Amino acid sequence: AQKITQTQPGMFVQEKEAVTLDCTYDTSDPSYGLFWYKQPSSGEMIFLIYQGSYDQQNATEGRYSLNFQKARKSANLVISASQLGDSAMYFCAMREGPYAGNNRKLIWGLGTSLAVNP
Amino acid sequence: KAGVTQTPRYLIKTRGQQVTLSCSPISGHRSVSWYQQTPGQGLQFLFEYFSETQRNKGNFPGRFSGRQFSNSRSEMNVSTLELGDSALYLCASSVGGTKNIQYFGAGTRLSVL
Repeated sequence: AQKITQTQPGMFVQEKEAVTLDCTYDTSDPSYGLFWYKQPSSGEMIFLIYQGSYDQQNATEGRYSLNFQKARKSANLVISASQLGDSAMYFCAMREGPYAGNNRKLIWGLGTSLAVNP
Repeated sequence: KAGVTQTPRYLIKTRGQQVTLSCSPISGHRSVSWYQQTPGQGLQFLFEYFSETQRNKGNFPGRFSGRQFSNSRSEMNVSTLELGDSALYLCASSVGGTKNIQYFGAGTRLSVL
């Protein structure tokens, strides 16, 4: 069963506007981590932001913020002030298990293709 | 600090051949994970190595194998290549800690003809 769902295959946004990319997840483990990665056409997977299941506040990293709604099992990525260089595939991923445990396996969504228009 | 380095970047092989992909992790990172990315299946976990030991394995046939050396560099081998093995193979390294963030290389794009 798919555990990470990204329902938006493609999104468009105007430069300098904000955009929200959706991610819902499913797990029965109380301890987990959620990640967002960006993959430009070059192929490299670039880490953007992390949210732990026990973190009390939503994560922020520069123009990226994560809207974490634990009861709804959603972890949406918000990109503020979009730039042309933000055009890429965006992936939501989850790691189940203890924070400092040995499990490093990530489960991935199918991604959202974001195009930033000038 | 140098990032994760994967070589080669591109490979073209024919069915039945075998291939070896290499990954050099970020200095100080002892964990290396491998993922396969295809348009149809998305990203799938292959295996993870830590201190030369395989600690986790995904649901792939035995044709897919890997190893890790004492300097944390890792190699992945695919024997008896099939057309369906055509994919982007991504390597990631991590140092551990509470977040356990994985940092990825640029990948090796394998085409099987």
